[in-house]
Amino acid sequence: DTGVSQNPRHKITKRGQNVTFRCDPISEHNRLYWYRQTLGQGPEFLTYFQNEAQLEKSRLLSDRFSAERPKGSFSTLEIQRTEQGDSAMYLCASSLGSAGDTQYFGPGTRLTVL
Amino acid sequence: DQQVKQNSPSLSVQEGRISILNCDYTNSMFDYFLWYKKYPAEGPTFLISISSIKDKNEDGRFTVFLNKSAKHLSLHIVPSQPGDSAVYFCAALEPTSGTYKYIFGTGTRLKVLA
Repeated sequence: DTGVSQNPRHKITKRGQNVTFRCDPISEHNRLYWYRQTLGQGPEFLTYFQNEAQLEKSRLLSDRFSAERPKGSFSTLEIQRTEQGDSAMYLCASSLGSAGDTQYFGPGTRLTVL
Repeated sequence: DQQVKQNSPSLSVQEGRISILNCDYTNSMFDYFLWYKKYPAEGPTFLISISSIKDKNEDGRFTVFLNKSAKHLSLHIVPSQPGDSAVYFCAALEPTSGTYKYIFGTGTRLKVLA
């Protein structure tokens, strides 16, 4: 399967703990995006990488959130000192890198903060 | 402030009939739109797109119509099949830092009854 993969698929944590999610994009895609989806809402943009460079961060991405894509391949999203409001589905998408190109989404990581 | 709106949270249609899903947007600068379909426990899957230079795009059973003056688009599925039952998201492209981010609506849950 050469689609976008995300791990873990589910994560349950206690408030105040740190969590890290991983995204492996489609191999030839140089753009990688993180979105967050809460119940009853559509996905909301969090951040975007062109190769290893993080080019945009949404105001939704507080200083407790950090994302990396160290070698321009997989990416990690870390949330420090989790809060109950962080509970959501975290979606990763990748695209080839041409203007207006289609983003392909992974299955998401569902985070539950108790 | 929701720039892309899907005002019908759910829709039920009989198998074989037409499904019409609606989407409104507020930003007249948006010039490219996409529809994604999402099954439970999976990420959104690209379905069909339309550029503002067109008013219609068709792909098999799926047709998207765009009315720029009304800032409205719709997705028609005909004939509807039980496998079409999913949540459908409308998205607009917003330029950002050399790429585009998606602005999603809140989704419409379609149920096709056998």
